[in-house]
Amino acid sequence: ETGVTQSPTHLIKTRGQQVTLRCSSQSGHNTVSWYQQALGQGPQFIFQYYREEENGRGNFPPRFSGLQFPNYSSELNVNALELDDSALYLCASSPGVGAGITQYFGPGTRLTVL
Amino acid sequence: AQSVTQLGSHVSVSEGALVLLRCNYSSSVPPYLFWYVQYPNQGLQLLLKYTSAATLVKGINGFEAEFKKSETSFHLTKPSAHMSDAAEYFCAVSDPGGGADGLTFGKGTHLIIQP
Repeated sequence: ETGVTQSPTHLIKTRGQQVTLRCSSQSGHNTVSWYQQALGQGPQFIFQYYREEENGRGNFPPRFSGLQFPNYSSELNVNALELDDSALYLCASSPGVGAGITQYFGPGTRLTVL
Repeated sequence: AQSVTQLGSHVSVSEGALVLLRCNYSSSVPPYLFWYVQYPNQGLQLLLKYTSAATLVKGINGFEAEFKKSETSFHLTKPSAHMSDAAEYFCAVSDPGGGADGLTFGKGTHLIIQP
C-alpha cells in the first residue's frame, strides 16, 4: 500500500512569485487536507478537499488555493508569495470526511521564500 | 474556537524512565483528540486517537493516553522511554460540531532521551 507522497521535497522561490505543490493521496482515500507548519510550530489547517470540492477552510487568505483531481490527488497553489509563507507544507489524506477520521500525512514540501 | 495547549516545549527523560507529555484542550463540545509524532525531516505519524469510546487509549510503540473531561486533558504516557522515542510530539483536536474537518494542533513538545 502506497502512502501519501508529496512533490517536490524542497523548493526555493522569491517574494511575489507563485508556487504549486503536489500531493498523491493514499490508495482508497478520497479526501485531502493541507497544512502549513512554520518552524517551531504545530501544523495549521489550510483547507480540505473531498471528491474534488473544497470541504472546509482555515484562516488563510484567498491567495492560497487548491484543486483535487478525479484520482483524488491534489495541488496547493500559493500566489504572491510572502516571506512568511516559508514553511513545511503537509498534505494529509483520509478515507472520507468526519471529525474523527484519521488523517495520514505525507513527508511534506519545504518551501523557502527569499 | 477550539485550541490545544502543550505544556513544555522540551521534555528530557532518561532512557527507561516514564514519559509524560501534557496536552490540554479547549472545545465547546467533547472533541476528538489525537497524538501525532514527527521524526526529523518526516511527516506526522498517528500514535493514537480518542473518539469517545474508552477513555484510556492505547497506541503504537507502547504509548497510551487518558481522556479526562473534568481536567480537559489528554496527556500522553509511556512507561519506559527508548532512545528511538526522541522526536517531536503533537497533540491535536477535532471538533465534531465544527464546519471544517481540519485538525487544530498544539505547538509541539520535543522529547529528548538521555542515555
